[in-house]
Amino acid sequence: SAVISQKPSRDICQRGTSLTIQCQVDSQVTMMFWYRQQPGQSLTLIATANQGSEATYESGFVIDKFPISRPNLTFSTLTVSNMSPEDSSIYLCSVELDGASETQYFGPGTRLLVL
Amino acid sequence: QKEVEQNSGPLSVPEGAIASLNCTYSDRGSQSFFWYRQYSGKSPELIMFIYSNGDKEDGRFTAQLNKASQYVSLLIRDSQPSDSATYLCAVGASSNYKLTFGKGTLLTVNP
Repeated sequence: SAVISQKPSRDICQRGTSLTIQCQVDSQVTMMFWYRQQPGQSLTLIATANQGSEATYESGFVIDKFPISRPNLTFSTLTVSNMSPEDSSIYLCSVELDGASETQYFGPGTRLLVL
Repeated sequence: QKEVEQNSGPLSVPEGAIASLNCTYSDRGSQSFFWYRQYSGKSPELIMFIYSNGDKEDGRFTAQLNKASQYVSLLIRDSQPSDSATYLCAVGASSNYKLTFGKGTLLTVNP
């Protein structure tokens, strides 16, 4: 597996503001993903973070709301823009290590509360 | 749309019993199957993965896959209170590395 860290671990934000979440891995990985887990729900994939190119977004998620950067093979950021209380959720990054097994490992998550 | 279905529970078993968690999936093209454990307030932790029909054992955990029935299960033998958590089933298609998650089953192991 890999050591995955996320910053911040939690935050309370005001509506209309933006928050950038960082995900750092201790080894180079090809695939990085961003998920959202709303209270009492399962994981929903937001996007695949592609190194050197634009992220690939899932249906219902758009770049203007969730811009993603992937400057190298160990780091990615997700920004939650113009936040509303409905964005209150846990945001998780995950990585797929070996490029073949689809096995994903998750970071510790960022718990976001929007007031 | 690909779907992964799990009984939300809660599933309650006594300590030392076998806990059986079930999952069905809709996409016949699915190739990989995963079980994650998620403690309250924590992120999902990979327990097991299985790719081939049959059983795969790892310690107290056994994953079972039946592709014809589109069914995957997780058995936990000698359940311990520390096994109390939500168990997430995830299914992958070989074409794009994406996983589809079920809503999870809450397991409670009573001392």
